Amino acid sequence: AQSVSQHNHHVILSEAASLELGCNYSYGGTVNLFWYVQYPGQHLQLLLKYFSGDPLVKGIKGFEAEFIKSKFSFNLRKPSVQWSDTAEYFCAVIPDSNYQLIWGAGTKLIIKP
Amino acid sequence: DVKVTQSSRYLVKRTGEKVFLECVQDMDHENMFWYRQDPGLGLRLIYFSYDVKMKEKGDIPEGYSVSREKKERFSLILESASTNQTSMYLCASTIKGFSGPNYHEQFFGPGTRLTVL
Repeated sequence: AQSVSQHNHHVILSEAASLELGCNYSYGGTVNLFWYVQYPGQHLQLLLKYFSGDPLVKGIKGFEAEFIKSKFSFNLRKPSVQWSDTAEYFCAVIPDSNYQLIWGAGTKLIIKP
Repeated sequence: DVKVTQSSRYLVKRTGEKVFLECVQDMDHENMFWYRQDPGLGLRLIYFSYDVKMKEKGDIPEGYSVSREKKERFSLILESASTNQTSMYLCASTIKGFSGPNYHEQFFGPGTRLTVL
């Protein structure tokens, strides 16, 4: 079955630290990839997405993600985190032939001021 | 801005009660979804609808039903609530179509945290 794996369920960092959240998926064909974020008390919202082209995708609030097809990965990065980045981050994948998003379990990120 | 609203932010019900969760979107989206969100499990699709009166089962439809009588409104029904249905329920919507870069961005409501006692 197709699946999405997020390696860390909880990450705690200090402000200004660099961030990398891992995401791996199991589907072998063409995929579309997403990172969503849920800030405390707010709606889930799209952070960035990859459909085709440059595998390095830039999103909102200084986040970026790199699609590495050979590794089935789509890791999320930010060079210097802020306290306001405290949130839960979800990776999601949709195989090109499917209608259904497949979600990772989420990573809770806590930034210490 | 797309707006997806859900009828309640918090709901407490008793075992065996019939529960209605309502979702309304104002962007004329064809596709609407109901998920439940549980810690460590991410989002799991319960049902989705791609048109009025149309519905498709997701991964965990057991114990739930849905209704879509109008394009903007998608209701989730728990016929007889049980304690294992205590969860956060999220509604989402997208534009029509199953391919293309715009389809897959889902717009979410604020969620309903349901507790079944």
